[in-house]
Parts: sequence; C-alpha cells; structure tokens
Amino acid sequence: KAGVTQTPRYLIKTRGQQVTLSCSPISGHRSVSWYQQTPGQGLQFLFEYFSETQRNKGNFPGRFSGRQFSNSRSEMNVSTLELGDSALYLCASSLSPRAEQLFFGSGTQLSVL
Amino acid sequence: GENVEQHPSTLSVQEGDSAVIKCTYSDSASNYFPWYKQELGKRPQLIIDIRSNVGEKKDQRIAVTLNKTAKHFSLHITETQPEDSAVYFCAASIRSGGGADGLTFGKGTHLIIQP
Repeated sequence: KAGVTQTPRYLIKTRGQQVTLSCSPISGHRSVSWYQQTPGQGLQFLFEYFSETQRNKGNFPGRFSGRQFSNSRSEMNVSTLELGDSALYLCASSLSPRAEQLFFGSGTQLSVL
Repeated sequence: GENVEQHPSTLSVQEGDSAVIKCTYSDSASNYFPWYKQELGKRPQLIIDIRSNVGEKKDQRIAVTLNKTAKHFSLHITETQPEDSAVYFCAASIRSGGGADGLTFGKGTHLIIQP
C-alpha cells in the first residue's frame, strides 16, 4: 500500500506570492491533517479535513487555508507569503478524525525569500 | 488550548544505557498521548502511544508511563542502540466519541547514542 504522498518536495517562493501544496493520503484513509514544522516552534497543527469539511483548525492566520476533494486528496494554500512561512509542511492521514495513528508524508520544504 | 512541554531538548547516552524523555501537558481533557520518532530528513513515525485510562504501556525496549494527576508522561528506552538516534516528539490530544482535535506536540528531544 502506498504511503502518504506530498508534492512538491521542495518549493522556493518570494514574499507576497502564494503557494499550493498537495497531499494524497493512504488509500482508504479519509482524514487529512496538516502540520507546520520549524526549528523554533516544532510541529504545529494547521487544520484537519474529513469528508471534504474542515473539522479542526489550529492557531494560524487566515492566509493559511485548505480543502479536501471527494477522493480524500487535500491541498493547502498559503497566500501573501512571509519570510516566517519558511518551514517543512507535513501532511498526515488517518482512517477517520477519531483514529489514533497518524501516518505522515515526507513533507514539502517551503523556502520564502 | 493545550500546551505540551518536553525535556530535555538534547539527551546524550552511552550505547546500551537507558534514556528517559519527559513531557507535561496542561489540558486535563487530553486523553491520547503518542510519541513520534523523526530521523534526520525523514518523516515522523509513531513508535508508541497511550490512552489516559492506562498507566503504562510497553513494546519491546520502549515503554511509556502516564501520570494523569500530575499531567505528565514519559518515554523510556532501554538498551539503547545507534539506530535509536533521532528526534523524539511527544504529543497530546483529545480523542473521544464526540470527535478529536489536532495533536499538540512538544518541541522535541534530540537523542544521541554515543558508541
């Protein structure tokens, strides 16, 4: 069974631009959550989607948004990029929102110049 | 919201010795406590977890203990091996019939196994 797939693996953007990251969950997993990982703040929860609906949201500004499609694939978008948005963005999938085990993807490394 | 503190930030032990990483949480409603291992350049992977109705759980050389009253939980690794070198993250969340929230992670512990 294929794992969680995130694309692209690396991205370089400039301040003010926007970016879209993609995540394909493990087959059969219907819940997708997103985390931001930085050396200073560690892993921080962004949001979670299930059945195309946002179920939970972390403490991030409205510039961070996401969506989920009917096939459970998810995208997250960051608009008006700031230098501080440079981070590894990790997607994790699980069978459902109440499922305990999260399976992480390898992440998208975003650099904002 | 939930706040998870993790100590130490770096831990160096001799191969074969034991390692202990400690975490505290703030929200008494949290009932699920996983531990993730992240090797350099790789994705975090779940190594063990515990629910609030259990005080201790073991899996071979790894064990986790939970003290609900004090709101702290710990990871114990015995007979450490070079492949145990990684960053370890603790986390807390609410998992219940009513739903679930996102994981709140500690800042991580860099475990170094000295040969």
